[in-house]
Amino acid sequence: GAVVSQHPSWVICKSGTSVKIECRSLDFQATTMFWYRQFPKQSLMLMATSNEGSKATYEQGVEKDKFLINHASLTLSTLTVTSAHPEDSSFYICSASPAALAKNIQYFGAGTRLSVL
Amino acid sequence: AQKITQTQPGMFVQEKEAVTLDCTYDTSDPSYGLFWYKQPSSGEMIFLIYQGSYDQQNATEGRYSLNFQKARKSANLVISASQLGDSAMYFCAMREGRDTGRRALTFGSGTRLQVQP
Repeated sequence: GAVVSQHPSWVICKSGTSVKIECRSLDFQATTMFWYRQFPKQSLMLMATSNEGSKATYEQGVEKDKFLINHASLTLSTLTVTSAHPEDSSFYICSASPAALAKNIQYFGAGTRLSVL
Repeated sequence: AQKITQTQPGMFVQEKEAVTLDCTYDTSDPSYGLFWYKQPSSGEMIFLIYQGSYDQQNATEGRYSLNFQKARKSANLVISASQLGDSAMYFCAMREGRDTGRRALTFGSGTRLQVQP
C-alpha cells in the first residue's frame, strides 16, 4: 500500500514548549490529510482536516490556536502543538489517501507519542 | 448516536481457529465505505480490508473477509486461521459519502483480540 511517514515517533517536552509533528506522503500526492488523536485505551478521534493551500478545518472542541496545522505542499502537513501542557499528552496520528487509487483507502503514519512533563 | 459500534471490548481465540469481530454502523447516506484496521501495540494503523456500500460481494483479503449485511448495517471482520501475530486492537471505521480522499473516517471503540497458543 501507499506510504505515509510521520516524524517524530516519540517526543518528550517540558510544559509550555511547542512541538512540531510532520506527516509526509512518500509516494503519492495528498491534497487532504487528516490528524487524529488517540488517548490510552481509546479510539481515534478526528482533530482536523488539513487542506493543501488553504486553512485547516477543525473539529468541534479542538482549539485551532493551540493545534496549528500547515499543509504547504502536496506531500507534507505539519501539526504544531503550541504551549503544550500535560493534558496534551497523547498519541497523534495522521492519514492520507492517494486520490489515484480506487476505494480511497486512508493510509496512516506510524504516529507520534507526545509526553508533556 | 454512535455511528460505528463495536460491542466486543475483548476477544480470545485459539491459534489456527477462525474469529469474528463484530461491527455495526449507522448512516443515512447511500454511499459509504467500511474499513477495518489493525493496531498492534506499536500504535501504527494497518489497513486490512475495505467494503463499499454498493459492492455486491463480500470483500476478502487473504485471511481476512468482511461479512457485509447491508440491511442489518453490519460489517463483521472474519479472520481465518488465527496466528499469534494477529493479537492486536482492531478498529472498524466508516467513511460517509462518495469515494473521496477528502472525507475522514469515523472509528468504533475497537476490539482487543488475543490469540492463544
